[in-house]
Amino acid sequence: DTGVSQDPRHKITKRGQNVTFRCDPISEHNRLYWYRQTLGQGPEFLTYFQNEAQLEKSRLLSDRFSAERPKGSFSTLEIQRTEQGDSAMYLCASTTSGATNEKLFFGSGTQLSVL
Amino acid sequence: AQKVTQAQTEISVVEKEDVTLDCVYETRDTTYYLFWYKQPPSGELVFLIRRNSFDEQNEISGRYSWNFQKSTSSFNFTITASQVVDSAVYFCALSEPYNNNDMRFGAGTRLTVKP
Repeated sequence: DTGVSQDPRHKITKRGQNVTFRCDPISEHNRLYWYRQTLGQGPEFLTYFQNEAQLEKSRLLSDRFSAERPKGSFSTLEIQRTEQGDSAMYLCASTTSGATNEKLFFGSGTQLSVL
Repeated sequence: AQKVTQAQTEISVVEKEDVTLDCVYETRDTTYYLFWYKQPPSGELVFLIRRNSFDEQNEISGRYSWNFQKSTSSFNFTITASQVVDSAVYFCALSEPYNNNDMRFGAGTRLTVKP
């Protein structure tokens, strides 16, 4: 049973550059979530997908952030014109739909450092 | 608005000691779900337990036990006979039935178990 995988594990970039992260959820899971976690804090919700449809976006998700899940399988999160405040761990999670409030299965995250 | 408070930022114990991690939540809904997750140094959040608001029965799973008290809006987590492998950050989280996309996490408690 493969879990949620995220790539890359670490990304260092210069301010102003664009970055893209990838998440591969557990294969039978049709809900996919992106969270952001800063040091000493719990994960904060960014957005989620039901299959390929993006159903909710947090106010934390500025215009520089965009997420896609084109075929309802893997998802990408792109940050354009990165800022130092974007430095954080970006976590992906997946779950099945149907039942409400099911547990989330998390990946190991992508640690972004913006210099 | 939903809110989760984990007042203990860090706890350090010696192996074999018992330790309780506190979680206090706020919600306006009568139906809600509470979770505990463990985040080891590898970064991947691992699900520990899910409890709905109508089930106040305490639960025990091996060395882990959970005490849900609606009267005090608390969902505390106790590890009995702690082990070094229990060292991690533990997060309490809350979600509401029609807001499944926004699982609200506490800031976490870092537990260090020393040999």
